[in-house]
Amino acid sequence: QKEVEQDPGPLSVPEGAIVSLNCTYSNSAFQYFMWYRQYSRKGPELLMYTYSSGNKEDGRFTAQVDKSSKYISLFIRDSQPSDSATYLCAPSKGGATNKLIFGTGTLLAVQP
Amino acid sequence: EAQVTQNPRYLITVTGKKLTVTCSQNMNHEYMSWYRQDPGLGLRQIYYSMNVEVTDKGDVPEGYKVSRKEKRNFPLILESPSPNQTSLYFCASREAGVLETQYFGPGTRLLVL
Repeated sequence: QKEVEQDPGPLSVPEGAIVSLNCTYSNSAFQYFMWYRQYSRKGPELLMYTYSSGNKEDGRFTAQVDKSSKYISLFIRDSQPSDSATYLCAPSKGGATNKLIFGTGTLLAVQP
Repeated sequence: EAQVTQNPRYLITVTGKKLTVTCSQNMNHEYMSWYRQDPGLGLRQIYYSMNVEVTDKGDVPEGYKVSRKEKRNFPLILESPSPNQTSLYFCASREAGVLETQYFGPGTRLLVL
């Protein structure tokens, strides 16, 4: 079993839709939960992150972690064509090396 | 501008011909790492370095070497490339222990024939 599972998509939505992107994980020691966005032919860039459980909001984006069910979510409100990218979840246990374990990514296409 | 640079961006080579992919960062970060990205497997860490002259294996180190002689540079060396090393490679750097400062380079697409 992979430590982090993520539906690869592709997920196609119309502009303005609410998007829900999700990951599940198996390691209960994960404490940090990162979301990266990767545009085509570019390196991943950090979108937002949370520590432990709960929600975090940043503009149109909300990250949510449910440690009891080992479920990570990223919500995008009022989605825009510029949100079209691959979204990668990446939890970490923290510690000296703070190793990130990446999901395979979900490809999102927002249609104008 | 804070950035991680990689060279070359694209490379086609043949089995067994040694190659080096360079990585450089301008943020004075202690921690640097190399990943490969493959369809269906995601990003997997090859090697990482906590500081100058301190390197360690990641999850898929076989067939790769690294060195960290200067803080800003972290080259990835393939001594004898094989077709299964065809992949998209990313270098990354961050402040030690601060996950949210991680920057990725633009990637190097490698094809080994």
